[in-house]
Amino acid sequence: DGGITQSPKYLFRKEGQNVTLSCEQNLNHDAMYWYRQDPGQGLRLIYYSQIVNDFQKGDIAEGYSVSREKKESFPLTVTSAQKNPTAFYLCASSGGLRSNQPQHFGDGTRLSIL
Amino acid sequence: GENVEQHPSTLSVQEGDSAVIKCTYSDSASNYFPWYKQELGKRPQLIIDIRSNVGEKKDQRIAVTLNKTAKHFSLHITETQPEDSAVYFCAAIVTDSWGKLQFGAGTQVVVTP
Repeated sequence: DGGITQSPKYLFRKEGQNVTLSCEQNLNHDAMYWYRQDPGQGLRLIYYSQIVNDFQKGDIAEGYSVSREKKESFPLTVTSAQKNPTAFYLCASSGGLRSNQPQHFGDGTRLSIL
Repeated sequence: GENVEQHPSTLSVQEGDSAVIKCTYSDSASNYFPWYKQELGKRPQLIIDIRSNVGEKKDQRIAVTLNKTAKHFSLHITETQPEDSAVYFCAAIVTDSWGKLQFGAGTQVVVTP
């Protein structure tokens, strides 16, 4: 959606390096999510956040970290502890706490190892 | 927790025929079920969703049905066209999870002219 911006579109990581993926939304959504998608696979939840300064681990949080200092922003850091970071990373947001609102996705970031 | 199973994993149909994808879920309290379409290299896009207070919802050539008793829901695409070729994901909301979704594994749909 035009309201969710992910950058960069492509990112390369050197061994031992931390990299940060940006996700910004102007939809005034409370909840934001990070997913990892491997080739030919489904979506796996890394982290999610319902409000500023609060976030929860998803199913595959190891090797990743996040922050939620502003409602509009939910950056994801892929740390050197993540030994297999090559994947397509998708950020999503949804409106309303505890409400059944659809998640809308950004265009994604492709991360590869150099 | 919620578990969503999706079948089939691949589906090949002739243009003009119908396509049906089925999903089952485990949490009887789950009450929101979206479907997403993902074209190669692109983001998933919401195509239709259904809430547990209705049994069927239609939007042009796409329909979704929900059977709460059996805990399954299905996506129906009629009069398929080549542009319907994509991966389709079903999902179910995880109750008391602030909007967290559990996704199915996806169905690769190929529409042949």
